Amino acid sequence: SAVISQKPSRDICQRGTSLTIQCQVDSQVTMMFWYRQQPGQSLTLIATANQGSEATYESGFVIDKFPISRPNLTFSTLTVSNMSPEDSSIYLCSVERGGLAGGSTDTQYFGPGTRLTVL
Amino acid sequence: GNSVTQMEGPVTLSEEAFLTINCTYTATGYPSLFWYVQYPGEGLQLLLKATKADDKGSNKGFEATYRKETTSFHLEKGSVQVSDSAVYFCALSVNQAGTALIFGKGTTLSVSS
Repeated sequence: SAVISQKPSRDICQRGTSLTIQCQVDSQVTMMFWYRQQPGQSLTLIATANQGSEATYESGFVIDKFPISRPNLTFSTLTVSNMSPEDSSIYLCSVERGGLAGGSTDTQYFGPGTRLTVL
Repeated sequence: GNSVTQMEGPVTLSEEAFLTINCTYTATGYPSLFWYVQYPGEGLQLLLKATKADDKGSNKGFEATYRKETTSFHLEKGSVQVSDSAVYFCALSVNQAGTALIFGKGTTLSVSS
C-alpha cells in the first residue's frame, strides 16, 4: 500500500477566497490524481498530475479554478480558487501503487481527504 | 464508454445478516475491479480487488468474484457486523498508466444490533 497524507483535514472558508490542499506520499510516484466527492455523491476525477508537466483536467474542470502543482515525485497541491458554496466537498488525492515509471498500474490508494465547507 | 453501476441504497440489515451489494460494469478490454469502503468521517480505503476473470477478491470477511460473462463484481459477506456500516464503492480500472478509476455511485450500508 501507500501512505498518503493531506493537509488540511478540514476547513471552513468564506466565499471568494482560495484554499490550497497539500498531498504528500511516502514514496515516489509518477501519477497523482485529484478527486472531488460532493455531499452524498461518488468520486469525480478533477485532474491527473504528472511530475514535470501540466496537469490534465477532466471535462468540467479548468486550471483557473483548480490550479495544481506537482513540484516533485512525492508531493502535489490542489488549489480551489474563488470559492463558492458549490465547492463544498471532500477533496481526495490518490496514487497508483507501483506508479513508478514502467510499473504496475493496478491499484490506487487514497489520502484521507480534505473536507471543505464554503459559507 | 466505461462505467460502473451499483445497486441503489441505503441497505439496512440486522447484525449477522447476509449482505449482497450488486455491481455491474461496462468496459473495453479487461479491466481490474475494486471495492472501496468509506467509514463515517473517514477517507476511502481499498477493501478488495480482482484483476482477471474468475478471480475472487477477499478481505475482512467480504468477497467478490470477477464474472466476465455477466460483467459483474458483486460484494458479499456472510454475517455483517455493526462496524461494517459504511459506504461501499465499486470501481474499475482500464489498466492503462495514468488512467483514473471509474466509480459507481456508492451504496450506504447500515447495520443495526
